[in-house]
Amino acid sequence: GQQLNQSPQSMFIQEGEDVSMNCTSSSIFNTWLWYKQDPGEGPVLLIALYKAGELTSNGRLTAQFGITRKDSFLNISASIPSDVGIYFCAGSNTGNQFYFGTGTSLTVIP
Amino acid sequence: DAGITQSPRHKVTETGTPVTLRCHQTENHRYMYWYRQDPGHGLRLIHYSYGVKDTDKGEVSDGYSVSRSKTEDFLLTLESATSSQTSVYFCAISGLGATSSYEQYFGPGTRLTVT
Repeated sequence: GQQLNQSPQSMFIQEGEDVSMNCTSSSIFNTWLWYKQDPGEGPVLLIALYKAGELTSNGRLTAQFGITRKDSFLNISASIPSDVGIYFCAGSNTGNQFYFGTGTSLTVIP
Repeated sequence: DAGITQSPRHKVTETGTPVTLRCHQTENHRYMYWYRQDPGHGLRLIHYSYGVKDTDKGEVSDGYSVSRSKTEDFLLTLESATSSQTSVYFCAISGLGATSSYEQYFGPGTRLTVT
């Protein structure tokens, strides 16, 4: 099955720093979703993107739907300790079958 | 809170035994999904449902069956559990009412261990 490539796999940053991560696919998608997962819990939806070039914000989080429709980006500004977790991207063409990346693990050092 | 519960939350079972996991939603979403999550693989779709008694296979459906007899419940059955089915299983929902919203909301997960 299709798998999305997320990078970096892990990040260790100082509190207050900005974070950037991305997700790439060999296929074109018409929907991108970004999730955050804390240990022992289910993924929580952060941002949904539906249009190439779209830039959407949710508080300190900003995500972009790549122009090629094969990639998406997530930025977190001024990181805080509660940003710790694993961030997943997911892409779909059908709206029903989403393909997920393997995640970016974020550690914030106070 | 998307109103999704999963039961049981943890289960240990022996190889060859049948196992049924339950997903229950309280918000009348049309679509329901079962995923498994394994290290190095992310989340992979097992089966999904687009309405009562309407289901379809996902990426990793072998060894699993599903049923949806009511809008609010989606059951995942492992007919004869194998060690390769040890995983964390997540249910997700989307499409409130008759809409086709693509945004999926996940339940808390069920950790299944097959010994």
